[in-house]
Amino acid sequence: SQKIEQNSEALNIQEGKTATLTCNYTNYSPAYLQWYRQDPGRGPVFLLLIRENEKEKRKERLKVTFDTTLKQSLFHITASQPADSATYLCALVEDSNYQLIWGAGTKLIIKP
Amino acid sequence: NAGVMQNPRHLVRRRGQEARLRCSPMKGHSHVYWYRQLPEEGLKFMVYLQKENIIDESGMPKERFSAEFPKEGPSILRIQQVVRGDSAAYFCASSQAREASEQYFGPGTRLTVT
Repeated sequence: SQKIEQNSEALNIQEGKTATLTCNYTNYSPAYLQWYRQDPGRGPVFLLLIRENEKEKRKERLKVTFDTTLKQSLFHITASQPADSATYLCALVEDSNYQLIWGAGTKLIIKP
Repeated sequence: NAGVMQNPRHLVRRRGQEARLRCSPMKGHSHVYWYRQLPEEGLKFMVYLQKENIIDESGMPKERFSAEFPKEGPSILRIQQVVRGDSAAYFCASSQAREASEQYFGPGTRLTVT
């Protein structure tokens, strides 16, 4: 069966450290993968997109990797801050229909 | 440039009533997507529309749910004869193109069915 999985348990990280979130998928062939941030009571906000032929993408303190062999994307936040606390969602797109398929998200808590 | 707007933000309906959720996409965006989110779950695609056309409704329940995006005015997600299981957050997103390089989301409508 097709699955896209993110850690369901909250991730607690000390301020200043690097937070790493995981997105694994099964039986999909994504053309690209996106990461979004969602705060309580708000809609998701787009952060980064990485294509199947890209290994790594960076934006300020954010870095995303994409390993199509492992069928995994990692999302890193360096020098983490309490304001980075939120739920982070990954979503993939297959070429066939351009529909976004979403993981359930991982809640990240940055402790001061 | 206003972002995606949704209203109402909160909607309470009794079982059997109708719920109408509205979405105005970002200026210049003609592609609208509706998603449903239950607590602790990911977003579930419901329907994708362009102006006056439903492009993909594969995620929409066959009964009681309908969506439209008229030439003028907002996109509407309509739920008839609501049941308790319809209680959820409903998000609308818009994009410039179908090859959704990124989607811009509204704040959502939280529907509670009593």
